[in-house]
Formats: sequence, structure tokens, C-alpha cells
Amino acid sequence: AQSVTQPDIHITVSEGASLELRCNYSYGATPYLFWYVQSPGQGLQLLLKYFSGDTLVQGIKGFEAEFKRSQSSFNLRKPSVHWSDAAEYFCAVGPFPGGYNKLIFGAGTRLAVHP
Amino acid sequence: DGGITQSPKYLFRKEGQNVTLSCEQNLNHDAMYWYRQDPGQGLRLIYYSQIVNDFQKGDIAEGYSVSREKKESFPLTVTSAQKNPTAFYLCASSIAPGSSRGKLFFGSGTQLSVL
Repeated sequence: AQSVTQPDIHITVSEGASLELRCNYSYGATPYLFWYVQSPGQGLQLLLKYFSGDTLVQGIKGFEAEFKRSQSSFNLRKPSVHWSDAAEYFCAVGPFPGGYNKLIFGAGTRLAVHP
Repeated sequence: DGGITQSPKYLFRKEGQNVTLSCEQNLNHDAMYWYRQDPGQGLRLIYYSQIVNDFQKGDIAEGYSVSREKKESFPLTVTSAQKNPTAFYLCASSIAPGSSRGKLFFGSGTQLSVL
């Protein structure tokens, strides 16, 4: 069965430090992978996506993610975190055959940033 | 500006009552979705609709109903049969399902609580 695991429920980093959020997936074929960000009480915004080609993808707000097929991972990184990056981050996989955009989301990682 | 509008922001339901959450989009998107978000569980798909007058059940449709009479609107009714309705509800939309490949645009959500 398809699934997404985000092992870290909560991460705290200092402003200016580097960040890596982990995501592992289970999917029977080549996946489409996504990272979304959610500010408190708000909807989700797409940070970046991987469909095919270069396994290192760049997103908005200085984020990047690397697809590693051998490890079934799609970790999100940022070299220097800003206080405004504090939010919840969701990894997702999909869509699935059939055409509709059903995504399976991980449980999320909540990021806190210390000044 | 184009976007997705969800209303109300907060909603309270009494025992045995049906309540309806509104979702309107002016993005001219074909597909619309309803997700339920519970703390620590990520997002789960309730219903989706690819075109007007058509919709499909997602993973947790029991106790919910929807309609899609207009392209712009996709209201969700939480019925009295839904025994645990307290959650954050997110509406999303996308261009024709096959072409947008998972890129969803989200509204800012409705927090539903039981009195």
C-alpha cells in the first residue's frame, strides 16, 4: 500500500542553522513527490515537486529536496533557516493512476525556529 | 486576485445537527477536493470532484456529503452520522486532473468543533 512517513513530529532549530526534514515513501511505481508548507490556521502551499529528471529539485523560499530512489526518500533541506520558516511541513506522494489528483500526505513535521 | 475561499473560518455543531462548509474558487479549476486534517495525522481525502455534477468518495467519506452544481462551488455537509466531526477542513482545487499532476491550491480552512 502507498504511504508516506515523516519520522520527525517536531523539530527545533536556531535561526541561521541548516535544516533537513525527512520523508520516506512507499509506492509501487515511480512516484510524484511533493512538499507543502502550512502556517498556523491556514491552508497548504506547494514548496516544490519532483516528477522526473534531475533528482535535486529547487523550490520557493530557498528550499530544495533530493529524491533518492534507493532509499525511498525525498528529504527537504534549507541551508539557513529564517524565523518566518516556522510552520508545519507535509510530504506527499501521488497522484495515482486514474487521473485524479489524490495525494497521500505524511503526518507532518512541525518546525520551530529559535532566534 | 484568484483563489479559494472557505467559510466560515470557525463553525460549531450541536449534537444531531447537519452543518455545511462553503468552498468557492475563482481559478477556473476543474477539480475540487475536501480534506480533513487531524493533529498528527496529516490530511485525509473526504470527497473529490473532477467536473460539474460528478463527485467521488475519498478515503473517509462516511458521514459527509457534497454537491457540485457549479464549477466554482463545492460545499461539504457534515451530517449527524459523522460521530467525530471536530477537525480542520481544507478545500483544494486543481486544473484538469491529468495535467496538473498533483499541484493543489488550498483554501485557508474551516475549524469545526462540536458543542
